[in-house]
Amino acid sequence: DTAVSQTPKYLVTQMGNDKSIKCEQNLGHDTMYWYKQDSKKFLKIMFSYNNKELIINETVPNRFSPKSPDKAHLNLHINSLELGDSAVYFCASSHLGRALDTQYFGPGTRLTVL
Amino acid sequence: QKEVEQDPGPLSVPEGAIVSLNCTYSNSAFQYFMWYRQYSRKGPELLMYTYSSGNKEDGRFTAQVDKSSKYISLFIRDSQPSDSATYLCAMEGLTGGGNKLTFGTGTQLKVEL
Repeated sequence: DTAVSQTPKYLVTQMGNDKSIKCEQNLGHDTMYWYKQDSKKFLKIMFSYNNKELIINETVPNRFSPKSPDKAHLNLHINSLELGDSAVYFCASSHLGRALDTQYFGPGTRLTVL
Repeated sequence: QKEVEQDPGPLSVPEGAIVSLNCTYSNSAFQYFMWYRQYSRKGPELLMYTYSSGNKEDGRFTAQVDKSSKYISLFIRDSQPSDSATYLCAMEGLTGGGNKLTFGTGTQLKVEL
C-alpha cells in the first residue's frame, strides 16, 4: 500500500490554465505539506496543514490554494498557470507536525507549463 | 544567500570509497538536522537525523554536526552503486508554527562499479 500518493504523476498544460493536484495519505497522520522542487533540485515548503487547519503558509503567490477536505487529503489548486510554475510538486505527511517528526514524501507530480 | 548551502555536485566515486557530503548553514535557530536521500524520479526519504553536536552512526552512514561552525556532514563508508542518489540536508528550528524543514539544494552522488 502506498503511504503518500499523488495524482497525477505528470501534468502538462498551457499557460493561463487552472489545474489541481491531489494528495492522499493512509498513515493516519495529522499533518500534511506541499513542497516545490525546482529544476536545480531545491526543495522548498509551500504549505502545511494540521488536522485541516493551515499552519505554514510560505510566500507563495495567491494563485496557489491548498484545500484539505479531511486530514487524510491535501489538494493543491493552481490558477492562471505561469511558465515559472513548472517544477515537481511533492506532498508529504508527518504524525503530529512537531519538531523531529519524520516527514514521508509522495512520489511527486511533475508539472510542465508550456 | 540561502540559509542552507550544499555543493550540488555531481560527485562521482568508485565502489567501496568513503563519501563525504556537507552542508553549511547560517541560521543559529536550527536545532535539528536531517539527511534525506532522493532517488531519481522519487520523493525524498529520511536517512538519518540528529539534534546535537557530535556523531551519530547507523550502519554504513555517519552523521556529524558541528553547531559552533554551523557545519554538518554525512559520511558513507563502503559506498555501493545503490547509494547513487541525491542527498539533501534538512534543518529545523525551535520556532513555533509546525514542523518546517529548510532544505539544502542537494548533492548528486554517483557510485560507479
